[in-house]
This record gives sequence, C-alpha cells and structure tokens, in this order.
Amino acid sequence: QQQVKQSPQSLIVQKGGISIINCAYENTAFDYFPWYQQFPGKGPALLIAIRPDVSEKKEGRFTISFNKSAKQFSLHIMDSQPGDSATYFCAASPNQAGTALIFGKGTTLSVSS
Amino acid sequence: DAGVTQSPTHLIKTRGQQVTLRCSPKSGHDTVSWYQQALGQGPQFIFQYYEEEERQRGNFPDRFSGHQFPNYSSELNVNALLLGDSALYLCASSLQGRDGYTFGSGTRLTVV
Repeated sequence: QQQVKQSPQSLIVQKGGISIINCAYENTAFDYFPWYQQFPGKGPALLIAIRPDVSEKKEGRFTISFNKSAKQFSLHIMDSQPGDSATYFCAASPNQAGTALIFGKGTTLSVSS
Repeated sequence: DAGVTQSPTHLIKTRGQQVTLRCSPKSGHDTVSWYQQALGQGPQFIFQYYEEEERQRGNFPDRFSGHQFPNYSSELNVNALLLGDSALYLCASSLQGRDGYTFGSGTRLTVV
C-alpha cells in the first residue's frame, strides 16, 4: 500500500511556541493533502487541507507548507495552546475528490502551560 | 445539524463471532466510507459506498463486508472475528465528488 510517513511520533511544545509536524509521501498521483486532529474518544476532524497547485495555505494559527518536488508537506501550529494537545494525522489521496485517504501514523502533541 | 452517528460505541465479541456496526451519515452527505484504526495507528481505509454499491475497497479480506441503504446509512459486517480485528472502527461521510470527510466518533470493538 502507498505510504505516508509522518514525524515526529510525539512532540512537546511550550504554550505560545510553534509546533511543526512533517509528512512525506511516495505516490506522485496524490494531489489532496489534509491534516486531521483527533482527541481521545473522538473521530478525526479535518483541520486544513491543500492541493499541489499552491505551496502554502494558512487558516488561523494553522499553516500547511507543501514542497511538491521533495514530496513533503508539513503542518505548523503557531502560538500553540494547551487545547491543541491532541493527535494529528496527515493524509493523502489520489487525484479524484472523495477517494480513500492514506493516513500517516500520527503525532501526539502535548502543549505544556 | 447532526454529524455522523455510529452505533454501538463499544462492543466486546468472541473470536469466530460476527459483528455488525452501523453508521448514519451527516445530513446532506451521500457517500459513506469505513476505516479501521488500531491503537496508536492512523486510520486504514476499508471501503466506500455510494448509491448502495461498494465503489472502492482497501486491502482488507472479504470477511469485511458492507451495505448502504437508500437513506444513505451504512453497515459494516465482520465475519469470523480474529483478535487482530480489535480496533476503533470509524465511519466517515462525504458528498460524492467532493473532498472533506466528516468522521463519527467510532465504535470500539474488542475481540476476546
């Protein structure tokens, strides 16, 4: 199965700091790259997503940076807050809307106050 | 506006048994996908249903089967349960041809 590799596995950031999570993919047919946030006991919730025609997308404190040539993308959480403590998953899917997502293994973020 | 509803929330089954999980999609959505999330892992795609047909399938054995009803709700059936089937089963709904799933909170299946 096509893979999406996510790092780090866990991350501890101080309140107000920047959290950075990285993902790399193999399949050049992938053209939709969402990030999901999951709290314990809940399903994943879509945070932000990007397509390869742009290199960066920002929504509030969350930014995706995308490097098509390197086949890498990352999530930056600015001014991290304790409420951001959750597990974050990157994902990718090939060039047809609504098709199966391939998820990374997740990053557990802890924001200390 | 109700989101994705899954039932039951928790379930304990014995090896070899069969289980049925249920999902009601978000209002306005017509496509249902099922994912399996093992502890500490990302969700893995099982299959997707649209217009009551299986449209796409992941790398899961045919012990895993599903159904979609005319009201867009869906069931996931797993036969001959194995210990390794213990996981959180997530249902996600979407509008056909559009990006952006809405996930339910899942059914936690434990096989003993």
